[in-house]
Amino acid sequence: AQSVAQPEDQVNVAEGNPLTVKCTYSVSGNPYLFWYVQYPNRGLQFLLKYITGDNLVKGSYGFEAEFNKSQTSFHLKKPSALVSDSALYFCAVSEVTDKLIFGTGTRLQVFP
Amino acid sequence: DGGITQSPKYLFRKEGQNVTLSCEQNLNHDAMYWYRQDPGQGLRLIYYSQIVNDFQKGDIAEGYSVSREKKESFPLTVTSAQKNPTAFYLCASSIDHRTQNQPQHFGDGTRLSIL
Repeated sequence: AQSVAQPEDQVNVAEGNPLTVKCTYSVSGNPYLFWYVQYPNRGLQFLLKYITGDNLVKGSYGFEAEFNKSQTSFHLKKPSALVSDSALYFCAVSEVTDKLIFGTGTRLQVFP
Repeated sequence: DGGITQSPKYLFRKEGQNVTLSCEQNLNHDAMYWYRQDPGQGLRLIYYSQIVNDFQKGDIAEGYSVSREKKESFPLTVTSAQKNPTAFYLCASSIDHRTQNQPQHFGDGTRLSIL
């Protein structure tokens, strides 16, 4: 069965520093991987996806993610964090159907 | 602008009452989904529909019902059988259920509380 794990409930980072939000997955075949962001009392917004090809995927708002097949990971990264990046981040995986399996979310706090 | 509209934004339910959450999309998407979001649990799939007049149960369908009479609309009814309905409900859509690599688009949610 497909599954996604986000091992950190919260990540704290100072503004201007690089940030990483971790995600690992488990699928039996080739994964389709996604990152979404959620601001308070809003729906999820799509950030980026990995389907195939380059292991480094670039997305919205300066975010990128690195796919690592051997470690079954898809960590979200940004070179320089902004206070406005503070939000809840979800990793998701899709395999044989269009159903997405979501992680439990990681709250990112960026301090000025 | 194309998007997904959920209404109402806040909803209160009395004991023994059924309530219906609205979800409308003008993206011309075939597939639509309902999720429940609870703190610390991520999103859990309630029901999904791949095409008009067809829908399937997700992981937590008990106490909920849906209909898909029009492509644009996928209302969710929270019945009195759902004993713990307090949650944030999110509706989403995607282009085509056969295209697994397309992202889902989300509405801004309905927050349901018990009176």
